[in-house]
Formats: sequence, structure tokens, C-alpha cells
Amino acid sequence: EPEVTQTPSHQVTQMGQEVILRCVPISNHLYFYWYRQILGQKVEFLVSFYNNEISEKSEIFDDQFSVERPDGSNFTLKIRSTKLEDSAMYFCASSEEMVNTEAFFGQGTRLTVV
Amino acid sequence: AQSVTQLGSHVSVSEGALVLLRCNYSSSVPPYLFWYVQYPNQGLQLLLKYTSAATLVKGINGFEAEFKKSETSFHLTKPSAHMSDAAEYFCAVSAGTGGFKTIFGAGTRLFVKA
Repeated sequence: EPEVTQTPSHQVTQMGQEVILRCVPISNHLYFYWYRQILGQKVEFLVSFYNNEISEKSEIFDDQFSVERPDGSNFTLKIRSTKLEDSAMYFCASSEEMVNTEAFFGQGTRLTVV
Repeated sequence: AQSVTQLGSHVSVSEGALVLLRCNYSSSVPPYLFWYVQYPNQGLQLLLKYTSAATLVKGINGFEAEFKKSETSFHLTKPSAHMSDAAEYFCAVSAGTGGFKTIFGAGTRLFVKA
């Protein structure tokens, strides 16, 4: 069964460093998303991406964050100059349609900023 | 705008008892509704989804949910709880004018007592 894969599963970084979280969406999907879940809290939308550009972003997704689809298979989230409060589980998701359909989620990358 | 409210951040049931997790939604257009389960330190797994077909939706692991438009509810039930059902459950909504994202509820942690 097709699945969304994320790497790494766990990343530890020092405050102020840049990190790149990687995702391989399901191959025939066209819409891509990043979500964040701070420990013990709900899953929050960060950004959606379609046709090589951001479709929508939340207020959380400030200039510190960027997304890219560098090739035909990968979808990345870059966090510049990480802060302690960026520590969270980051989920990538993809879907065939933009709305009214199921988004398939990856297993997540746990980011720990120390 | 779409939103989801989950009633009860924690629910505790005995093994073999009925599981009822409550979810109410708000949407200006017919929504698509989802229940996800998250086991400790793991990703999000889709339990079931409502996509405007049958109002009673059956999912994996014996769970089901009923869409009630008049009550704007989508409660999750299971007739008999198992110890393995202990997890965090998230109700989520995606709708046509809500942008390109899935909105999650705050989650309900289910405890199952032996």
C-alpha cells in the first residue's frame, strides 16, 4: 500500500541551527502539507503546497520556515535558526484532491531543539 | 471557517465496555469528517472517514461513527473496548471553503482499565 515516508524519524539540533525535514509523498498525489504537533497538544496546520507554490499557510508558518519540492519525489520543510519552541513532531501529508478527501500522513519526524 | 470540538480531553472505560468519543463540528459547507488514532510516539492512523455517502461509517478495529447533520456531530463508538484501544483520538474536518487543510480537534485520550 502506498505511504508517505518521512526522514529522519528523530532529529536533535542545537538552537540556532538550520534543519531540513524530508518527506516523500505518495507518487500520484498533487497536494502536500506540513503539520506540527507540540508534545501533548493537537495537530496544527502549517502549510499546503500545490503546483510548486504555497497554497495556504498558517500564522505559525513565518519567515523562519520554507518548503520546497526540489525534485519529482521529495517535499521538504526547512526551519532556519531553530528555537527551543520549535521542538515538536512534524507530520508530512499528501492528498490526491485539494479538499474533501483523505490526507495520508507520514509517521512524523520528532524534532528536538536543545 | 471550519472547526472541530472534542468533548472530553480524557475518557476512561473498562475493558469490554462501550467506547463513546464525542466530536462536534462547525462548517459552512458540507464537510468531510475523519477520525484519526495516534498511539504513543507514533504517527496518525486514519480510523474512518465520512464523505457524504452513508451517515453511519464503519472503520478499522471495530470503530464506527455516525454523521448527524442536525446535531453537527460525528461521535466515535466501539461496542466493546480492548486494552489495545488505549490511545489518543483526533476528530478532524476538511471542507470545500476551508482552504486546503485538515483541521484537527484537540484530541481525546482513551484509557482502558482491565
